[in-house]
Amino acid sequence: QSVLTQPPSASGTPGQRVTISCSGSSSNIGSNTVNWYQQLPGTAPKLLIYSNTQRPSGVPDRFSGSKSGTSASLAISGLQSEDEADYYCAAWDDSPNGPVFGGGTKLTVL
Amino acid sequence: QLQLQESGPGLVKPSETLSLTCTVSGGSISSSSYYWGWIRQPPGKGLEWIGSMFYSGSTYYNPSLKSRVTISVDTSKNQFSLKLSSVTAAETAVYYCGSQTYTYGPQDPFDIWGQGTMVTVSS
Repeated sequence: QSVLTQPPSASGTPGQRVTISCSGSSSNIGSNTVNWYQQLPGTAPKLLIYSNTQRPSGVPDRFSGSKSGTSASLAISGLQSEDEADYYCAAWDDSPNGPVFGGGTKLTVL
Repeated sequence: QLQLQESGPGLVKPSETLSLTCTVSGGSISSSSYYWGWIRQPPGKGLEWIGSMFYSGSTYYNPSLKSRVTISVDTSKNQFSLKLSSVTAAETAVYYCGSQTYTYGPQDPFDIWGQGTMVTVSS
């Protein structure tokens, strides 16, 4: 059982906009920033969004993040086949004083 | 560009100690610019943080694993390591090492990941 809650799956067609939600509590998302990771099949996770809305160098601006209260969202616009992957949200949790992850959302591009 | 590479036994017996090493290239393990940490992922499941450490020796461990985990640094080899004692079959997973570029502290994201190494716990 993951501390952060994500839908297990999401899907969209090429060109569409898809959002993935991440729900937490006051001890994690409510008081700390949210990061998102993309894990392509058979590879290590890659940092996609940090500090709620920031993109590391090289991440396309099709990817965006937002946070409100104890929830966060990842939006992917102009969906492409190469976006098919697992997406994980993460945030520091003040209790137990460490990062916690969501269970992951498997994105399928139809 | 910082690169990380995990190494260690792929098979560990139940109740024994899992030992992995992460070799750092493209940067110094002694740098104040990074935290170094371990994350694991059981087959078909999500990610779990194991622990992180700073070059100064400060360590942060997942409370659920704290009594069995040790993360340490070998500056002479530019490596950091993970030891997890008394493992069970449920701890079969891909183990990743990662780095966190220091901005605020251990809550910084893992921005560089190793490729991961599969460890099976079985007799």
